[in-house]
Amino acid sequence: NAGVTQTPKFRVLKTGQSMTLLCAQDMNHEYMYWYRQDPGMGLRLIHYSVGEGTTAKGEVPDGYNVSRLKKQNFLLGLESAAPSQTSVYFCASGGTGWVNTEAFFGQGTRLTVV
Amino acid sequence: RKEVEQDPGPFNVPEGATVAFNCTYSNSASQSFFWYRQDCRKEPKLLMSVYSSGNEDGRFTAQLNRASQYISLLIRDSKLSDSATYLCVVNDDGGYNKLIFGAGTRLAVHP
Repeated sequence: NAGVTQTPKFRVLKTGQSMTLLCAQDMNHEYMYWYRQDPGMGLRLIHYSVGEGTTAKGEVPDGYNVSRLKKQNFLLGLESAAPSQTSVYFCASGGTGWVNTEAFFGQGTRLTVV
Repeated sequence: RKEVEQDPGPFNVPEGATVAFNCTYSNSASQSFFWYRQDCRKEPKLLMSVYSSGNEDGRFTAQLNRASQYISLLIRDSKLSDSATYLCVVNDDGGYNKLIFGAGTRLAVHP
């Protein structure tokens, strides 16, 4: 079972370049999340979605945009990359219901902005 | 104040030891609580959910104290394979069910 798949797994960008990270899940989950993880900071929520066509800001949304045009995909865009966006990015998806069920994570994307 | 706070550690313990991790959360409306485990350079994976009455899964015991907004994880008879970072996770019950992660507590079990 694929679960949650992130592409790409590694990327090096120059300052000012743009890119899109793709997250795909095959578990029919309503909720999807994008986190970034920096040393000593834990996972910080960038944006999330509670269903197809919806998105919402998390804790650190500046410099990022997202789209959820299809239920199974959640895209994270960097319009103009900055060195401060060097991080490991994790996508996750979770089930429905008022009380959250387990969140499943992708393997992460290691992004370096030079 | 951070929404979810954990002691970063590291906790260095010998095999067979009992170790406890604590976590506090700020949103009294939070409904769901979890412990995740993250190995070095890997994605987080669910270790166990935390229920109001407390729950146990083998060597792992989780406790929740809603009045004090406090969660704990107890690991008995530590194994080398328990070495990892343990993440406290709280559902932010603001109507959108978003998961808020603590920064994690690192555990190193040595022979």
